[in-house]
Amino acid sequence: NAGVTQTPKFQVLKTGQSMTLQCAQDMNHNSMYWYRQDPGMGLRLIYYSASEGTTDKGEVPNGYNVSRLNKREFSLRLESAAPSQTSVYFCASTLGANTEAFFGQGTRLTVV
Amino acid sequence: LAKTTQPISMDSYEGQEVNITCSHNNIATNDYITWYQQFPSQGPRFIIQGYKTKVTNEVASLFIPADRKSSTLSLPRVSLSDTAVYYCLVGVMDSNYQLIWGAGTKLIIKP
Repeated sequence: NAGVTQTPKFQVLKTGQSMTLQCAQDMNHNSMYWYRQDPGMGLRLIYYSASEGTTDKGEVPNGYNVSRLNKREFSLRLESAAPSQTSVYFCASTLGANTEAFFGQGTRLTVV
Repeated sequence: LAKTTQPISMDSYEGQEVNITCSHNNIATNDYITWYQQFPSQGPRFIIQGYKTKVTNEVASLFIPADRKSSTLSLPRVSLSDTAVYYCLVGVMDSNYQLIWGAGTKLIIKP
């Protein structure tokens, strides 16, 4: 039982490049989330998907897009990476809105 | 924007009880208060969740006063391995419902 799996673990991009961060959960959870965490800071919600087929903006959605591909998978896309998007990105899933969240190991992204 | 407030850092010694308080004035009426622990280079991990009064599990207790505008995470007899960042998470009603993470409390346990 893997829980929440994120790929890749590390990535370096040049300004203007695009990439997609992948996330999958095997717990049959309804809700999935993408967060970013800057050094020494708390988590900030980028986008979330309350259920399959729905997505909503969080606190810091600009520069990102998401796709809830199916119940298991929720991807985050950076269309044109900027240095301000250098951060650690975490995917999480929950059964309901404010139930126990399970997190992936994170993706450390550097944009140069 | 509604937010939560926690102390930035705390330190204590092995074997002591540690209490970390989070204030959340705009907590949604029917929502829970949840606490997470995060070690460096890892995602946060669930510790405990409660709605009101007191909740206890094998690792912590959570105290919530009647007005629910704050909560206190209590870690009994801490050890060096409890050194981590602790976050509170609540649902709040602003213009819409949002889950709001605190900025985190960095807890350092000394021998």
